[in-house]
Amino acid sequence: SAVISQKPSRDICQRGTSLTIQCQVDSQVTMMFWYRQQPGQSLTLIATANQGSEATYESGFVIDKFPISRPNLTFSTLTVSNMSPEDSSIYLCSVDSRTDTQYFGPGTRLTVL
Amino acid sequence: DAKTTQPPSMDCAEGRAANLPCNHSTISGNEYVYWYRQIHSQGPQYIIHGLKNNETNEMASLIITEDRKSSTLILPHATLRDTAVYYCIVNNFNKFYFGSGTKLNVKP
Repeated sequence: SAVISQKPSRDICQRGTSLTIQCQVDSQVTMMFWYRQQPGQSLTLIATANQGSEATYESGFVIDKFPISRPNLTFSTLTVSNMSPEDSSIYLCSVDSRTDTQYFGPGTRLTVL
Repeated sequence: DAKTTQPPSMDCAEGRAANLPCNHSTISGNEYVYWYRQIHSQGPQYIIHGLKNNETNEMASLIITEDRKSSTLILPHATLRDTAVYYCIVNNFNKFYFGSGTKLNVKP
């Protein structure tokens, strides 16, 4: 299985600011994904991070709010822009594996004041 | 959108088998059924997946009905550390759409 790390592990931010979350995997992977988990809720897929092209966003998520980069096959970033308290969530990245399984990072716990 | 339905919670006695059901009546022929669990808001942990046949690994067994419209995850000897939210997911072109999951409470 892939080893995935995320930075930061948690952060407290002021409304109106932006935070960039990093996801690093220890091996090259084809697909990387970003999820959001709001307090007490299940995971919601935000987007697929595509290497060398623009991310593919799910319904309800837009690039201006959640810009994503994927510069290579082991790294991706998600930015949460112009934050409001409603953006307080755990943000998780995941990667596919060669066995058709997704592995998840530990998550980034974001609190917006 | 999630294509699965699970009971919101279940209890299980420690040492007994935990049987977690999942309905996925609209599953397509090439879609796999995956099970993950999440402990204390950590990243979800992969458990098992299958297409048609029953599967078993060191963590659990997966029983899929012949019509593939439902499945059951079996933890053969539940421990307190198995207390978690268990998610049943139907894989749609590598995208996972999580449902609400089942909160399994393993009790001494």
